[in-house]
Amino acid sequence: AQKITQTQPGMFVQEKEAVTLDCTYDTSDPSYGLFWYKQPSSGEMIFLIYQGSYDQQNATEGRYSLNFQKARKSANLVISASQLGDSAMYFCAMREGPSGNQFYFGTGTSLTVIP
Amino acid sequence: DTAVSQTPKYLVTQMGNDKSIKCEQNLGHDTMYWYKQDSKKFLKIMFSYNNKELIINETVPNRFSPKSPDKAHLNLHINSLELGDSAVYFCASSLQGVYQETQYFGPGTRLLVL
Repeated sequence: AQKITQTQPGMFVQEKEAVTLDCTYDTSDPSYGLFWYKQPSSGEMIFLIYQGSYDQQNATEGRYSLNFQKARKSANLVISASQLGDSAMYFCAMREGPSGNQFYFGTGTSLTVIP
Repeated sequence: DTAVSQTPKYLVTQMGNDKSIKCEQNLGHDTMYWYKQDSKKFLKIMFSYNNKELIINETVPNRFSPKSPDKAHLNLHINSLELGDSAVYFCASSLQGVYQETQYFGPGTRLLVL
């Protein structure tokens, strides 16, 4: 089974609108971390936001928030007030394992912001 | 100031050649990784080292050999390069056991095999 599933290969959003990028994960570990990364066309991997398995509240970082539904094993990224510069690939990832050394990445979602 | 650096940034070479990519991190992390990102942008873990010890070794051709001279460096040597090796290779580092810490990625090395 896939550890991280991103079912949206491509998404479009109008500038200034909000968009949700889906991510589901699979683990039986009680301790894990969930991450979202942005990869613009320039290629670098940019860390956006983190959610811990024990966190009670959804993580937020500026315009990014993570909709964490533990029972459903989902960790969707919400980008509010989309900007043209948000056009990029977005990867969901999970960190797990006894020492937390295992990182698993989804296949990514390509987001295009339309002016 | 660079946290994770990789050299070279671009590598164009002929099939059959041997090449190396170097990675260094100055974050004091104890775990380093190599990923391959193919043309479809899929990120695949190749290797991971913790304190110079190999801890993750995915199904990768044995033409790929990682080397960690110390915990701040993880180099990747590739023998007998093939067309299918063309990809972007990312080095990353993290702290073991700190689940809330992200991996930090290098800028990537774009390898093109002709």
